[in-house]
Amino acid sequence: EDQVTQSPEALRLQEGESSSLNCSYTVSGLRGLFWYRQDPGKGPEFLFTLYSAGEEKEKERLKATLTKKESFLHITAPKPEDSATYLCAVQAARQAGTALIFGKGTTLSVSS
Amino acid sequence: NAGVMQNPRHLVRRRGQEARLRCSPMKGHSHVYWYRQLPEEGLKFMVYLQKENIIDESGMPKERFSAEFPKEGPSILRIQQVVRGDSAAYFCASSPRRFQETQYFGPGTRLLVL
Repeated sequence: EDQVTQSPEALRLQEGESSSLNCSYTVSGLRGLFWYRQDPGKGPEFLFTLYSAGEEKEKERLKATLTKKESFLHITAPKPEDSATYLCAVQAARQAGTALIFGKGTTLSVSS
Repeated sequence: NAGVMQNPRHLVRRRGQEARLRCSPMKGHSHVYWYRQLPEEGLKFMVYLQKENIIDESGMPKERFSAEFPKEGPSILRIQQVVRGDSAAYFCASSPRRFQETQYFGPGTRLLVL
């Protein structure tokens, strides 16, 4: 069964304190891995797409990496405005192959 | 370029009523997906549609739920005879192509069943 597990469930950081969020996945053929950010009461906002092991992408203070079993979202010197829930999702090579399978997310709180 | 639009943003229904949720995809996108987010749970896929066709409905409950994406107009997710367990946030996403394409999400419709 295709599955995505994110850890930790919640993370509290001080402003400037770098850390990483983990996304472990089990999938029968990975088409792509996606990171989204979700603020309370809003829809998921796209951050990154990764397609193959070894791939990395960066955007401002965020960097996403991918291996054959997991992905990391590294947050460098976070600011309070980075506080949000970060969602990881995979697209598997199943029959229709289009559904995103989401983890439950990591809720990040950054205090000044 | 306008993003994915959903309406209404909030919907209150009494048990037994019908709920209709609308989604207009991003300009140039012909692939629409519906997801449901129950309290304390992750987003769950419901259905994938292209214009006038349901491609994958493997995540749709067998009864009371239906979806369409007509040639003209928005995609509609319809829930008949709502029950309290249907209370959730319903998100629509769209993409320009089918595989390995980023899905862009709308703001969601929060359904509350009294």
